[in-house]
Amino acid sequence: ELKVEQNPLFLSMQEGKNYTIYCNYSTTSDRLYWYRQDPGKSLESLFVLLSNGAVKQEGRLMASLDTKARLSTLHITAAVHDLSATYFCAVDMKYDTDKLIFGTGTRLQVFP
Amino acid sequence: GAVVSQHPSRVICKSGTSVKIECRSLDFQATTMFWYRQFPKQSLMLMATSNEGSKATYEQGVEKDKFLINHASLTLSTLTVTSAHPEDSSFYICSAPKGVRTDTQYFGPGTRLTVL
Repeated sequence: ELKVEQNPLFLSMQEGKNYTIYCNYSTTSDRLYWYRQDPGKSLESLFVLLSNGAVKQEGRLMASLDTKARLSTLHITAAVHDLSATYFCAVDMKYDTDKLIFGTGTRLQVFP
Repeated sequence: GAVVSQHPSRVICKSGTSVKIECRSLDFQATTMFWYRQFPKQSLMLMATSNEGSKATYEQGVEKDKFLINHASLTLSTLTVTSAHPEDSSFYICSAPKGVRTDTQYFGPGTRLTVL
């Protein structure tokens, strides 16, 4: 059974600081996604990582993937209040068409 | 870009009634759609895979007789929560991949179900 774990589960950080969210998964996969969810809303796609060593950046967020370690990271640089949300990683079930298993989620709160 | 819609966005019903939630892909065809459930402050849990032209595939622990899924066409999947109870209150989200083994998957806006 594929398990996807994130840590931390909750992160309170000051504006301007940097931090990293970790996503570990338990079995082989060939695709990893990062999503953002605002309260009461659905998911917003942030990144799709398709290969070992993949790195993608958008604004203050950067995601990377190490398939050998079964680890993805989401790095936040110089956090701002607008980044406050819950972040999920999701792993594609290899050989099982497009089915995603979601991580536990990291609730991020950025304060002044 | 591709869009997935859900209807209704919010529904409140009495215990024992059935509720139907629709998921539509608006500008692409989806032979497969996925249904997720999310309880407050928790992650998304995959409930089932909706397959156009065949039976849905349910995840372990999900009652197929309680959560009826019908993939009526290449753009529409419905989830019916039968004989709803308060513990079924949740946020239901559908998703549809554009293509097969694609890296592009679109999520609906979600349906908030409250069972009184």
